[in-house]
Amino acid sequence: GAGVSQSPRYKVAKRGQDVALRCDPISGHVSLFWYQQALGQGPEFLTYFQNEAQLDKSGLPSDRFFAERPEGSVSTLKIQRTQQEDSAVYLCASSLERSGRVAGELFFGEGSRLTVL
Amino acid sequence: AQSVTQLGSHVSVSEGALVLLRCNYSSSVPPYLFWYVQYPNQGLQLLLKYTSAATLVKGINGFEAEFKKSETSFHLTKPSAHMSDAAEYFCAVMGTSGTYKYIFGTGTRLKVLA
Repeated sequence: GAGVSQSPRYKVAKRGQDVALRCDPISGHVSLFWYQQALGQGPEFLTYFQNEAQLDKSGLPSDRFFAERPEGSVSTLKIQRTQQEDSAVYLCASSLERSGRVAGELFFGEGSRLTVL
Repeated sequence: AQSVTQLGSHVSVSEGALVLLRCNYSSSVPPYLFWYVQYPNQGLQLLLKYTSAATLVKGINGFEAEFKKSETSFHLTKPSAHMSDAAEYFCAVMGTSGTYKYIFGTGTRLKVLA
């Protein structure tokens, strides 16, 4: 499809397991964001990529969270040693423009729902 | 730092009635402001955005929002609610001073009563 694709849509992990969440942005989009959305809350910023460069990772809650976008397209959010408080929907969004210069529209994926038992 | 506050986590309106969803922002510089809608099990999609052009912004599905600097508000309205408008609505701000973050509010769930 032409939209932002995320996988898996649902992931159940036991506490302490590592998980990897994948995001396929819209082809050609420069900007890529990861957000965490807890139940009943708005999306909370995690990290931002401009092409392959991670320009802002200030929202990552701990050093157990790691994101990469090595070739400037697909991105992976990895969570090591998952904890129950990591349970949330992880949203990926991409934008054609470089964020901060133009208020580009964000195109969101459907999210990956992570449940940590 | 920029932030947004959405008043009312749940709003119910009758079909055909006015929809008013409130958003107030905090920003030290003129902001870019957005409204996004999220239908169940779907990603967020843009309704409209304010980027310092016209203060009254028209979006998709008959929604519009007015930027009021004096009130630091960007409320979302629609003259006549449809059943299909039932969803969660998020206000968001992006600073114009080089920050990369879009900051979202906590959301307002709109229920439309038949």
